[in-house]
Amino acid sequence: DTAVSQTPKYLVTQMGNDKSIKCEQNLGHDTMYWYKQDSKKFLKIMFSYNNKELIINETVPNRFSPKSPDKAHLNLHINSLELGDSAVYFCASSLTGAGGYTFGSGTRLTVV
Amino acid sequence: AQTVTQSQPEMSVQEAETVTLSCTYDTSESDYYLFWYKQPPSRQMILVIRQEAYKQQNATENRFSVNFQKAAKSFSLKISDSQLGDAAMYFCAYRTVTSGTYKYIFGTGTRLKVLA
Repeated sequence: DTAVSQTPKYLVTQMGNDKSIKCEQNLGHDTMYWYKQDSKKFLKIMFSYNNKELIINETVPNRFSPKSPDKAHLNLHINSLELGDSAVYFCASSLTGAGGYTFGSGTRLTVV
Repeated sequence: AQTVTQSQPEMSVQEAETVTLSCTYDTSESDYYLFWYKQPPSRQMILVIRQEAYKQQNATENRFSVNFQKAAKSFSLKISDSQLGDAAMYFCAYRTVTSGTYKYIFGTGTRLKVLA
C-alpha cells in the first residue's frame, strides 16, 4: 500500500540518452512535485502540478519535461542526459490547504 | 525570497542524551508552516514534526519537540533520549504558498550521528 511510489528506484544510463521516471500516488492528493537532491544533499523543487495543471516551473533546463496525465500521476522525462543530471529525484504529493508532503522513496539517477 | 539556513552541517550525540538542531529562516510572510524531515540512509524522507506559524505553542511528537521563535525566525528541533535509529540527515523546511500551491524551501541539512 505504498502511498507515493516512484519507478525505477535506480537508473544508470549513458550520456545523451533519454529516460523517464514515473510517480504515482494513491492518497487522493491534488498536488504533486518533483524535487532534485544533489550530491551535497541539497533539495530543490523542479516542478509542481495541481490537478494536472503546471503550477511551479523552476529554472530547469528544457531537457526536463514533466507530464501529468491525471492528478494521481506525475512523470518526468529527461532528454539528452548529461553528467550533471546525476542526482536523486524525489516525487512528492500534498493536499491543498493541508500540512506536509508525502515523499516517494526517490530515484537515484546516475549518468555515465 | 524565502531562505532556510541550517548552520550545523554535522552534530553528534551520545545515545540517551539530548541534542538540538538549529534552523533559521527568512520570510516576509505572516502565515506559513515549518517542518523537520528526517532522511536515513534508506533515503526515504520522513516527516518528523511540523509547526504552524500562527500557533504559539511549540509542537511536540514523542521524543521530538521544537522551539519556535517567530520573531527571531528560529525553529530548532530537540531530540530527547536519542536512539541509534535517530541517526540521519535532518532537513528543516519552510512551506510557502506560491500561485495557489505549496512549495517547500529546504535547508542544507544537518547530519546527526548517534554514538553508542
